[in-house]
Amino acid sequence: GDSVTQMEGPVTLSEEAFLTINCTYTATGYPSLFWYVQYPGEGLQLLLKATKADDKGSNKGFEATYRKETTSFHLEKGSVQVSDSAVYFCALSDMIYNQGGKLIFGQGTELSVKP
Amino acid sequence: NAGVTQTPKFQVLKTGQSMTLQCAQDMNHEYMSWYRQDPGMGLRLIHYSVGAGITDQGEVPNGYNVSRSTTEDFPLRLLSAAPSQTSVYFCASRVGQGFTGELFFGEGSRLTVL
Repeated sequence: GDSVTQMEGPVTLSEEAFLTINCTYTATGYPSLFWYVQYPGEGLQLLLKATKADDKGSNKGFEATYRKETTSFHLEKGSVQVSDSAVYFCALSDMIYNQGGKLIFGQGTELSVKP
Repeated sequence: NAGVTQTPKFQVLKTGQSMTLQCAQDMNHEYMSWYRQDPGMGLRLIHYSVGAGITDQGEVPNGYNVSRSTTEDFPLRLLSAAPSQTSVYFCASRVGQGFTGELFFGEGSRLTVL
């Protein structure tokens, strides 16, 4: 079945460092790919998405490119801030095995940014 | 904007007790769902609904019941709680079934079953 694999955390960076969180996926159909972020004590919120191969999603300085050839959707940010400390989830939604619009999540990667 | 509202935020139960987690959204979303979040496992879909009167099972439905009598509300019932149901539960909603749309999440309900 479909699945999402993220790099394990926690990831600890200094402010202004470059961030990469790796995400790879397995899907039978034609998935859309998402990054969701969960700040402490809150629910998840959409950070960015890409709906087809070679699309780049971007928001708040974060970027991710849908790479079908490597089945990847890595999250990057050039200069992280303390306020970026959160848990980041990669997810996919598959058109074929959709189950009513189900999202399949990776296990989450905790990011901690130190001043 | 209230968005998706879940109650209670925290609950402790004893094994065998029953309870209902409430979820309400004020965005007129057709699609609503319940996920559970467990360490190292991401979020897993429990049940979902594509409109009032329509519900279906997700990947981990055992031990949970749902109903959808209105567009706004989607309660999750635990009929006989078990320690394996200790988790953080999230309700989420979206416009329609479209698989590209954004899911809006509530703040979560942390349940502990002793």
